[in-house]
Amino acid sequence: EAAVTQSPRNKVAVTGGKVTLSCNQTNNHNNMYWYRQDTGHGLRLIHYSYGAGSTEKGDIPDGYKASRPSQENFSLILELATPSQTSVYFCASGAAGEDTQYFGPGTRLLVL
Amino acid sequence: QEKVQQSPESLIVPEGAMVSLNCSFSDSASQSIWWYQQHPGKGPKALISIFSNGNKKEGRLTVYLNRASLHVSLHIKDSQPSDSAVYLCAVNDNNNAPRFGAGTKLSVKP
Repeated sequence: EAAVTQSPRNKVAVTGGKVTLSCNQTNNHNNMYWYRQDTGHGLRLIHYSYGAGSTEKGDIPDGYKASRPSQENFSLILELATPSQTSVYFCASGAAGEDTQYFGPGTRLLVL
Repeated sequence: QEKVQQSPESLIVPEGAMVSLNCSFSDSASQSIWWYQQHPGKGPKALISIFSNGNKKEGRLTVYLNRASLHVSLHIKDSQPSDSAVYLCAVNDNNNAPRFGAGTKLSVKP
């Protein structure tokens, strides 16, 4: 089964600080995704990527940047964290041409 | 942008009951529709998908798709306490970037 790991698993940040969430997958999937999950909203797509060097905006990209330096790694960057970005963040991967997504365990972020 | 809505928000059933979960979407040209299961503190896990109109059965799960009415449903036969989880409906667009509904929280009581 596809393996997706995320780090850190829990993070407390201060308003205005920079936060980097990391995701690694070991299944050579081309596609990777970042979502946030909040009560009442389900999973909302922030950024996604079709391969190393590519990033695409999802539905709620404001306040977030993404970086895909390699096939295995996909990072989500909050340059100036705000309390409204307190959430649980999920990374997922998927093979090109297939529509199954494999999710990581999530990162719980609290911005004070 | 695909809009995905799920109902009900939550559901409590006795063990052995048939469970029916609903999902509506906004784009008839959407690609496949997936159902995911998410246990507390875990990431979602893919359960079953459907692309063509009609139904698809896998074990205790059956999914029905009606593209004309923009509706898909998931039915769980003989529900078990281990089925207690949040069920998410995901609709893939042409860019293969899935959009999710808010989920249905299912509790199966022994």
